[in-house]
Amino acid sequence: AQSVAQPEDQVNVAEGNPLTVKCTYSVSGNPYLFWYVQYPNRGLQFLLKYITGDNLVKGSYGFEAEFNKSQTSFHLKKPSALVSDSALYFCAFEGTTGFQKLVFGTGTRLLVSP
Amino acid sequence: DVKVTQSSRYLVKRTGEKVFLECVQDMDHENMFWYRQDPGLGLRLIYFSYDVKMKEKGDIPEGYSVSREKKERFSLILESASTNQTSMYLCASSLVGQGAYEQYFGPGTRLTVT
Repeated sequence: AQSVAQPEDQVNVAEGNPLTVKCTYSVSGNPYLFWYVQYPNRGLQFLLKYITGDNLVKGSYGFEAEFNKSQTSFHLKKPSALVSDSALYFCAFEGTTGFQKLVFGTGTRLLVSP
Repeated sequence: DVKVTQSSRYLVKRTGEKVFLECVQDMDHENMFWYRQDPGLGLRLIYFSYDVKMKEKGDIPEGYSVSREKKERFSLILESASTNQTSMYLCASSLVGQGAYEQYFGPGTRLTVT
């Protein structure tokens, strides 16, 4: 079955340091890949998406993600973490039914310490 | 500013009760979705709708039904609530068509069934 995997339940990083939240995919064809963020007691917010073209995608709040076809990965990155980046991050791909259905990973909690 | 609203942030119901969760979007989106979010499992799709009166089962439809009588409103119904339906429920909407349209999420309803 097609899926995305987020191998880390939690990532800890100090403020000012670069952060990476990992996502690998097992999707046939050319996948549409997404990152969403969930702040405490809030719904999910869209961060960025990869459709085609440039492998480095830039999104909201200074985040970017790199699509790597050979490693089937779509890792989320930020050069300098902020305490306010602490949240739950979800990777997702769009299924092939044509109804914009998303399949989500299990989520990674990011904790940025001051 | 785009908006998806859900009727309740917190809800406590008893086993066997019929439960209605309401979702309204003001973006004239064709697609609407209901997910449940559980720790360690990410988001799982319950049902979605791509048009008024149209509905499709998601990955975990058992014990749930939906109704979409108007384009802006999508209701999730628990016919007879059970304790294993205690969860966070998230509604989302998106445009429909070719391409990777992002989904817009409501704030969620945390349902507790006792």
